[in-house]
Amino acid sequence: DAEITQSPRHKITETGRQVTLACHQTWNHNNMFWYRQDLGHGLRLIHYSYGVQDTNKGEVSDGYSVSRSNTEDLPLTLESAASSQTSVYFCASSESNAGLGYEQYFGPGTRLTVT
Amino acid sequence: GQNIDQPTEMTATEGAIVQINCTYQTSGFNGLFWYQQHAGEAPTFLSYNVLDGLEEKGRFSSFLSRSKGYSYLLLKELQMKDSASYLCAVRDRGTGGFKTIFGAGTRLFVKA
Repeated sequence: DAEITQSPRHKITETGRQVTLACHQTWNHNNMFWYRQDLGHGLRLIHYSYGVQDTNKGEVSDGYSVSRSNTEDLPLTLESAASSQTSVYFCASSESNAGLGYEQYFGPGTRLTVT
Repeated sequence: GQNIDQPTEMTATEGAIVQINCTYQTSGFNGLFWYQQHAGEAPTFLSYNVLDGLEEKGRFSSFLSRSKGYSYLLLKELQMKDSASYLCAVRDRGTGGFKTIFGAGTRLFVKA
């Protein structure tokens, strides 16, 4: 069965360190997204990609970067982790069709703590 | 700008009906989603509305009025397992393409 996975599921890191969160999907979806979820804010879009070599900034992209070298993976990198980046991170993917809204399939999430 | 409002919390009784409202303001509306999210888990898709009216799917129904910027999710015959957060999300067409903007979610508590 197709799925979307994230690793690690839990991560504790120190301020200033570089951290990379992995996201891998076997749906063969062109669209992939990274969100963070904090109490009271819901899901906020960090970065998204509509296909290989395509990346775009979301509403809270400062301090984060992504790269898309293949269809299956969209790793999220925190260049220099800050305590404000302590959060739960969700990766998602969807089919691509500019005219129709396909639902997003979410990974299980990564809980990141920056100390 | 873009804005989505939904109540923070609601409580309902097992077997009853509950309606969760969502109002939104976007410049390029292109559809509205409802997702369910149990505590500690990922969101899962419930419904999608792009035209005005009611979409029914089993115990869950979703309604959309584009002219009013309003949607609701209706849950019938509530069960304890329906205790979860319900996220309203709007697909918006902007200069950078299509984006989905999520509301903060409504936490529903179902009591016996």
